[in-house]
Amino acid sequence: DTGVSQDPRHKITKRGQNVTFRCDPISEHNRLYWYRQTLGQGPEFLTYFQNEAQLEKSRLLSDRFSAERPKGSFSTLEIQRTEQGDSAMYLCASSLARGSSGNTIYFGEGSWLTVV
Amino acid sequence: AQTVTQSQPEMSVQEAETVTLSCTYDTSESDYYLFWYKQPPSRQMILVIRQEAYKQQNATENRFSVNFQKAAKSFSLKISDSQLGDAAMYFCAFIGVSNTDKLIFGTGTRLQVFP
Repeated sequence: DTGVSQDPRHKITKRGQNVTFRCDPISEHNRLYWYRQTLGQGPEFLTYFQNEAQLEKSRLLSDRFSAERPKGSFSTLEIQRTEQGDSAMYLCASSLARGSSGNTIYFGEGSWLTVV
Repeated sequence: AQTVTQSQPEMSVQEAETVTLSCTYDTSESDYYLFWYKQPPSRQMILVIRQEAYKQQNATENRFSVNFQKAAKSFSLKISDSQLGDAAMYFCAFIGVSNTDKLIFGTGTRLQVFP
């Protein structure tokens, strides 16, 4: 069990460029979540998947954001035409749906995005 | 809508002493889980302790324990014998056993530990 891994850990991009983050969940976990966290705030929910199905998207997830989990394993979060307000840490997390761990969600180390 | 409130933006404690972090929540769900997560300066969110709402017994993990008051919708974290490594942001979080199943976080409490 290597935990939730995210790549890249840091990304600096110019406003207007597209960026993509990748998340590899804990191997047996069928749920995968994306959160956004800005300095001094708690994480805010963006979206989550159960297997390959995207079950919920937050209103925070504008049309410029898209997330995929094509084979129910890793996931990507793409931000198109980045804006300075997109600067934040993007956290990925995973869990088992129900089961003995009872909705406990495990987080990766996050991907820092800075838009200049 | 579910909300989680942490009313203490910052707390401090001396090494080896005990500190309690407060958390209240609001929900209409009857079945849910509560968590405390720790986020050190390295930024990875680490699970500290969890509590199932249907259990009356307060959860305990080594030096960490909770005081879960379901009727008052209160879920405080007690850290005993504080250590320098306990310094971090602490987030209280809620997840309902519903078809949404997503964690709702509070705004966090920054804990400083002084030698």
